[in-house]
Formats: sequence, C-alpha cells, structure tokens
Amino acid sequence: DAGVIQSPRHEVTEMGQEVTLRCKPISGHNSLFWYRQTMMRGLELLIYFNNNVPIDDSGMPEDRFSAKMPNASFSTLKIQPSEPRDSAVYFCASSLMGDDEQFFGPGTRLTVL
Amino acid sequence: GESVGLHLPTLSVQEGDNSIINCAYSNSASDYFIWYKQESGKGPQFIIDIRSNMDKRQGQRVTVLLNKTVKHLSLQIAATQPGDSAVYFCAERGGSYIPTFGRGTSLIVHP
Repeated sequence: DAGVIQSPRHEVTEMGQEVTLRCKPISGHNSLFWYRQTMMRGLELLIYFNNNVPIDDSGMPEDRFSAKMPNASFSTLKIQPSEPRDSAVYFCASSLMGDDEQFFGPGTRLTVL
Repeated sequence: GESVGLHLPTLSVQEGDNSIINCAYSNSASDYFIWYKQESGKGPQFIIDIRSNMDKRQGQRVTVLLNKTVKHLSLQIAATQPGDSAVYFCAERGGSYIPTFGRGTSLIVHP
C-alpha cells in the first residue's frame, strides 16, 4: 500500500487566495483526521471523519476552514480566504477504526504570503 | 521532557548510548498512550503504545514506561543509532478517539 497520500506537498499562495489540500487515506481505513502543525502550537487536530461523516470539527479554527469527505478514498481541507497565520504543515492521517493506530501522510507545507 | 515554549527540548546522545525521552501528561482519565517519531519532512510515525492497565511495554529496541501516579510516560531507546534522530511525540487519549499530542522532544544522535 502507498500509505496516506497528500497533495500538494508544498503550496505557496498569497493572502486572500483559496487553498485546497487533498488527502487519499489508506484503502479500507474508515477514519480520517486532519491536523495542523506549527512550532508555536505543535500538532493540533482540526477535524475527524468516521465513515465519511464529520464527527468532531471543534478544532477547525474559523469559518474560513472547511473539510469534506465525499467518499471513502478522498478528503479535502479548504481555506478561503487564506491568511499568513495559516502557514503551517497540514497532515492527514487515517486509521482502520477510530481508536486504532493512525497512519500519517507526508504533509502539505503551506506558506501564505 | 515536553515543553510549552517555542523551542523543543533537545536530547543529544552518542551513537550506541541508551536514550530516555520523558513526557508528562495532564489528563488522569487518559487510558491509552502512544509514542510517535517524526523525521524531518515527514509525518509522525507510530512507534509503540501502552494502555493504562500496564506500566511497561517493550518493542524492538524501545521500551515505554508508564507511571500513572505521577502522570509520566517515558520512551527508552536502546543502542541509539543515527537513524533514530528525529522529534519524538507522546500522545494521550481518553474516552474519545482523539489523541492529544505533546510538543515533542528533539533527539540528536552523534556518530
């Protein structure tokens, strides 16, 4: 298995632009997690899906952030409009069941100028 | 150990030495603990886990110790190798599926 796949690996954009991050979980996993990592705040959970349904989005910082999981093999995290303080590495992780080991993707490094 | 500051705590060791990375957790209701390793430019990778009904668990070259009395977790790496250089995170989990991650400790192994 290729593991969790994220794209793009790097994204540089200007303030105000829309950013869409993509994730393909490991086939057969039914739980998907989006995290954000910064030096200031460490690794923070943004949102968690189980069977494509958002279960907990309390970590989503603002209405500018939205996440979808239209099917079991694809999820997006969208930021609109983006701001410089959104600059971070965004990780997607999946697990077989919600309480199992999470497998992380390689991350997307987002820079908002 | 874990830090709330801007800079990660750093542990420097010589190749072949044993390393001990510490973590203090806050939630006494946490019943599951995980150690992750994150190499530069990569996502966190599961190393070993332990449930609260245990106080020690061993893997290959790694041992996790759990002291629930003082809410302390440690990761011991035997015969540390340059490839072990990374940031190590502990995570705790209570009743939900959502782990809470510590800030991490940077391990530097000198050849």
